[in-house]
Amino acid sequence: AQSVSQHNHHVILSEAASLELGCNYSYGGTVNLFWYVQYPGQHLQLLLKYFSGDPLVKGIKGFEAEFIKSKFSFNLRKPSVQWSDTAEYFCAVNAHSNTGKLIFGQGTTLQVKP
Amino acid sequence: GAGVSQSPSNKVTEKGKDVELRCDPISGHTALYWYRQSLGQGLEFLIYFQGNSAPDKSGLPSDRFSAERTGGSVSTLTIQRTQQEDSAVYLCASSFSGAETQYFGPGTRLLVL
Repeated sequence: AQSVSQHNHHVILSEAASLELGCNYSYGGTVNLFWYVQYPGQHLQLLLKYFSGDPLVKGIKGFEAEFIKSKFSFNLRKPSVQWSDTAEYFCAVNAHSNTGKLIFGQGTTLQVKP
Repeated sequence: GAGVSQSPSNKVTEKGKDVELRCDPISGHTALYWYRQSLGQGLEFLIYFQGNSAPDKSGLPSDRFSAERTGGSVSTLTIQRTQQEDSAVYLCASSFSGAETQYFGPGTRLLVL
């Protein structure tokens, strides 16, 4: 069965630290890849996505992610986090042969200390 | 424009009762999805509607769960004979078409006592 694995469940960083959240998926075919963010008390919002083309994608608020096909990975990065980045982050995969449904990772809670 | 809306925002019910959760997708979006977010299971796909095609019901956890989408727009998720393990946040999302970016609603928080 297809699955998405997020390596870090809870990350605590100080402001200005660099961030990298890991995401690996298990599916051998063509995929669309997403990172969603859920700020406290808010609903899920799209952070960035990869459909095709340049494997390095940039999203909102200075986030970027790199698709490495050979590693089945789509890690999220930000060079310098802010207190306002405190949120839960979800990696999600849509397999092209799998209708439109998203398979989500378990989520990573990021806490940024001011 | 308006985003995905869901109602009610919170629902408390007693074990064994039926509940209906409503989703209004973004206007013009042909695809509609239901997911469930719970502490132990994370975000799970439930059901997917795309235009007039037969829905993908592969994620529904039991036959107590059903959903319909009337007129290609509003959708209702029904849970019959609710159980305590049904307590979760039920999320609806819509997209312009299948495999496109999904936009999520605020969710309905269901508590079964």
